[in-house]
Order: sequence, then structure tokens, then C-alpha cells
Amino acid sequence: DGGITQSPKYLFRKEGQNVTLSCEQNLNHDAMYWYRQDPGQGLRLIYYSQIVNDFQKGDIAEGYSVSREKKESFPLTVTSAQKNPTAFYLCASSHRTSGLNEQFFGPGTRLTVL
Amino acid sequence: AQKVTQAQTEISVVEKEDVTLDCVYETRDTTYYLFWYKQPPSGELVFLIRRNSFDEQNEISGRYSWNFQKSTSSFNFTITASQVVDSAVYFCALSEADFKTIFGAGTRLFVKA
Repeated sequence: DGGITQSPKYLFRKEGQNVTLSCEQNLNHDAMYWYRQDPGQGLRLIYYSQIVNDFQKGDIAEGYSVSREKKESFPLTVTSAQKNPTAFYLCASSHRTSGLNEQFFGPGTRLTVL
Repeated sequence: AQKVTQAQTEISVVEKEDVTLDCVYETRDTTYYLFWYKQPPSGELVFLIRRNSFDEQNEISGRYSWNFQKSTSSFNFTITASQVVDSAVYFCALSEADFKTIFGAGTRLFVKA
């Protein structure tokens, strides 16, 4: 089955700790994205990557970091510098980073800071 | 600047009712794309439809239909004869030629049996 997997589904973190969210896709898509979703709000773009070993900041990149060492993987690290990290995080991919292409989403990771 | 407004935060209907979800967008580009996504309780967004700015033809897919009107910058989504399985959060999104996609805040639809 082609698709996007995210793990874990639920994640709890103590304040001051870094945590990494996993995102893997087997759709052979070039572009991958990370979004943050807060209650009652739309999705906000954190980072995106158009090709391996390259990525760009989105609207709310502060306190987050990413890597794109493989085409199928785009992990997101939430660092201790992120002031309010509790949220629902969605990973997505698309064939290319063109406005034309719809995005395919993973099931999300719900991060809670204790 | 890009902007997508979904003024309806929550809508509640009874099964078999028709319901329309509103979406108003702002863009300065002449080439852009509009999308609707569905987010069921499981959390994963599912793509429903894409429209480009040069195609104002309305579309129908089963019980779903979309009305795109450039004159009012709207891209509304109608579900006919709603079902409980339609209960979800629906997002309208706008993307310009340079790629970046802006999502509206979403409309939560409750369909009661």
C-alpha cells in the first residue's frame, strides 16, 4: 500500500527536551512538508523540502529543525526552543512543489508537553 | 497576500439534509489552484478536489458538488443528502503557482442520525 506513515501517534515530552517525529512515504514523491495544526485553526507550514538534502523554512519554523537525507524520509525535530509545542503535527507529500499538485497526508502525531 | 476564509466554524445538520460549506479566498495572482480536503476523526487529511483559476466549471462527484465563482472569490462545497460518515472537518486551501498552500481554518461538520 502506498502512503505516508508517521510515528508515533501520540508523544509526550517534558519541557526542555528535544523530540523527533518520524515521517516516511513510499509514494516516490519529490516534495515533503510538515504542518502544525492547533485547535480551531488551519494548518500552518513549518518546513518543506523539494529534493533530497534541501529544505526551506515555512511560516513557523522557529524552534523546529528537519533533515532530508533520503527521498522517502523527512523527520521533524521539535527543540526546546519551541515555546508552545503542544499541537497536532501532520506530514504531507506531493509529486512536486507546484501549486498544481494536491498533497497526501499522514495520520499525524499528537505531541503533548508535560 | 493569500488568504482563505471559512466563516463557518461548525455546522450541525440532520442526516439527509443538504449542507453548503463556504470558502472565500484572496489572491493577487491570476494563476492559482483551489482545493478541498476532508479531515475525519482519524486525523488524516484526504484530498477531495482541485480547481485551477481558469476553470470555473462546477463539478459534481456523487453527493458532492463544488461551485467556483471568480467574481465573488468563492469556492463553495455542497454535500447533498448528508450522511453520518460525512462528519469531519473540511478545509479549503489556496495555492499559487509558486507552490505555497494556504489553508483556511476549517469547518467542522456534524451530521446527526
